[in-house]
Amino acid sequence: QVQLQESGPGLVKPSETLSLTCTVSGDSISSGYYWGWIRQPPGKGLEWIAIFYHSGTTYYNPSLKSRVTISVDTSTKQFSLRLTSVTAADTAVYYCARASSLAVAGYYFDYWGQGTLVTVSS
Amino acid sequence: QSVLTQPPSVSGAPGQRVTISCTGTSSNIGAGYDVHWYQQLPGTAPKLLIYGNNNRPSGVPDRFSGSKSGTSASLAITGLQAEDEADYYCLSYDSSLGGYVIFGGGTKVTVL
Repeated sequence: QVQLQESGPGLVKPSETLSLTCTVSGDSISSGYYWGWIRQPPGKGLEWIAIFYHSGTTYYNPSLKSRVTISVDTSTKQFSLRLTSVTAADTAVYYCARASSLAVAGYYFDYWGQGTLVTVSS
Repeated sequence: QSVLTQPPSVSGAPGQRVTISCTGTSSNIGAGYDVHWYQQLPGTAPKLLIYGNNNRPSGVPDRFSGSKSGTSASLAITGLQAEDEADYYCLSYDSSLGGYVIFGGGTKVTVL
């Protein structure tokens, strides 16, 4: 059974950096899947942040690309999200997820973490 | 505003059939890329409901079905049940500049 668990501070001050870690169990980050981050502001819809493959290929949401960094540690089965210069608009539930890639193009997320709420406030 | 357009809400009585549309453009659904659907119950993470336009993961009831035509896709729920009251999101791929993964804006299904 694949499981993902997000962890990190629940409160971040404006202009600072949001850092979250996702711990994977029941699978290896080096398996044939992609992995990613998605967020959901309170009462709003889902927004894709980034998706990556263990070989280093990473794709970012263009609207967040300049502020996002993804790092991976396959030995500890963890990957991380860093989002810099946060504002109140970055307040959201952040999810990590596993993604299957399709033969032609595209991805879908099949396993999700439970999500963690990050509030940006002074 | 989402690249994939969904109706904000749909409703139906128990036992009825409801459909949720997901309208895209020639750079995503219209380009032939697959559409996937998620169900999000209140306070929980999204759950994969349909992948590859019309495939159900193990454990998803056959009351849920997906279809795609042209620049749009649809999720149908037949025999609507109270437990189906949730938010539903479509997901696809966009080949335009840096688009990649795109979600629809979400549809709230209310069981009357």
